[in-house]
Amino acid sequence: EVQLLESGGGLVQPGGSLRLSCEASGFTFNNYAMSWVRQAPGKGLEWVSSFGGGVGDTHYADAVKGRFTISRDTSKNTLSLQMNSLTAEDTAVYYCAKSGKPFDGRGYYWFDCWGQGTLVTVSS
Amino acid sequence: EIVLTQSPATLSLSPGESATLSCRASQSVGSDLNWYQQKPGQPPRLLFYHASNRATGIPARFSGSGSGTDFTLTISSLEPDDVAVYYCQQRNNWPLTFGGGTKVEIK
Repeated sequence: EVQLLESGGGLVQPGGSLRLSCEASGFTFNNYAMSWVRQAPGKGLEWVSSFGGGVGDTHYADAVKGRFTISRDTSKNTLSLQMNSLTAEDTAVYYCAKSGKPFDGRGYYWFDCWGQGTLVTVSS
Repeated sequence: EIVLTQSPATLSLSPGESATLSCRASQSVGSDLNWYQQKPGQPPRLLFYHASNRATGIPARFSGSGSGTDFTLTISSLEPDDVAVYYCQQRNNWPLTFGGGTKVEIK
């Protein structure tokens, strides 16, 4: 069974940093592009970042570019999101999501499995 | 950035009725359009990828169609369990974008 388990959320002050993790199981982690999607309280879904075929194949929403860094540790089957310079607008549930087909030069960015999410609250 | 506009914002129907949800893209996305269902307190669930390919376990009363800029998600014979917010998402261009969602309610 494919499973994604996020962790690392919590309360952080404006300007602070937080590192989210997503532990994957039930599939060959290295073969799939992975993404982070967030949802502010009571709002819709917002794509944040994706990791495709390698370190050079990372993508970011303009709202987080330069502040967030996505990475992957294939030895631990873990996707991470380092979040710096956080603001109140970053308050959201952050979901880890798996792409729908194995990476073959294209990332197939539809999300067929989602974690339960981890809540990040940026407030003083 | 490709903007996805979903309509209506809210759809209130009786059980057994058919629901038609629209997603319009600001420029062509080909068939690179996906649909998700999100129930309260749960993560989203994939319904369709590539506009009309039903995801695993999705009932046949759900159907997806469209290409280019206009897409439709249809739920025939609405059931109480279908109460949710439905989102479209495009993967044709970076950044990936989601529509604002359509909330489906049961009368």
